[in-house]
Amino acid sequence: KAGVTQTPRYLIKTRGQQVTLSCSPISGHRSVSWYQQTPGQGLQFLFEYFSETQRNKGNFPGRFSGRQFSNSRSEMNVSTLELGDSALYLCASSAGQGDSPLHFGNGTRLTVT
Amino acid sequence: DQQVKQNSPSLSVQEGRISILNCDYTNSMFDYFLWYKKYPAEGPTFLISISSIKDKNEDGRFTVFLNKSAKHLSLHIVPSQPGDSAVYFCAAGAGSARQLTFGSGTQLTVLP
Repeated sequence: KAGVTQTPRYLIKTRGQQVTLSCSPISGHRSVSWYQQTPGQGLQFLFEYFSETQRNKGNFPGRFSGRQFSNSRSEMNVSTLELGDSALYLCASSAGQGDSPLHFGNGTRLTVT
Repeated sequence: DQQVKQNSPSLSVQEGRISILNCDYTNSMFDYFLWYKKYPAEGPTFLISISSIKDKNEDGRFTVFLNKSAKHLSLHIVPSQPGDSAVYFCAAGAGSARQLTFGSGTQLTVLP
């Protein structure tokens, strides 16, 4: 079974721009979650989508948004980029019920200059 | 306010010996706990989990212990192997395993 795939692996953007990151979950997984990893804050939950609906949301500003398509693929968008948005963005998928664990992709490394 | 804490940033262990990684939490609502391993330039890899209705779960060389009264969990790796060298994160969820709160990680180095 193919794992979680995230594209692109690396991105360099300028402050004020916007960016879209993509995630393809494990086949059959209907839940996709996004996390931000920074050296100072560690791994922090952004949001979770299940069957195209946002089910949970973390404590991030409205500049961070996402969506999920009918094939469970997900995109995350960050608008008006700030230097502090530089981070590793991780996508994770799960079956979405009960205690099914998250399985992570290798992430997209975003650098904002 | 760190709800999940891993107080040891690093741990070194001799190959073949036991590695014990510790994690403390403060939120009594957490009822599901997981351990992940992370190599550089890769995403976290799920290792083992435990529900709050249990106090121990084993999977091969990995055992997780949960002490609810102390709000403490630990991961035991026996025997440790050089390939186990990685950053280990504990994570906790309330009501589901999908919105997780992670600890800051412990770098485990297994010396040959």
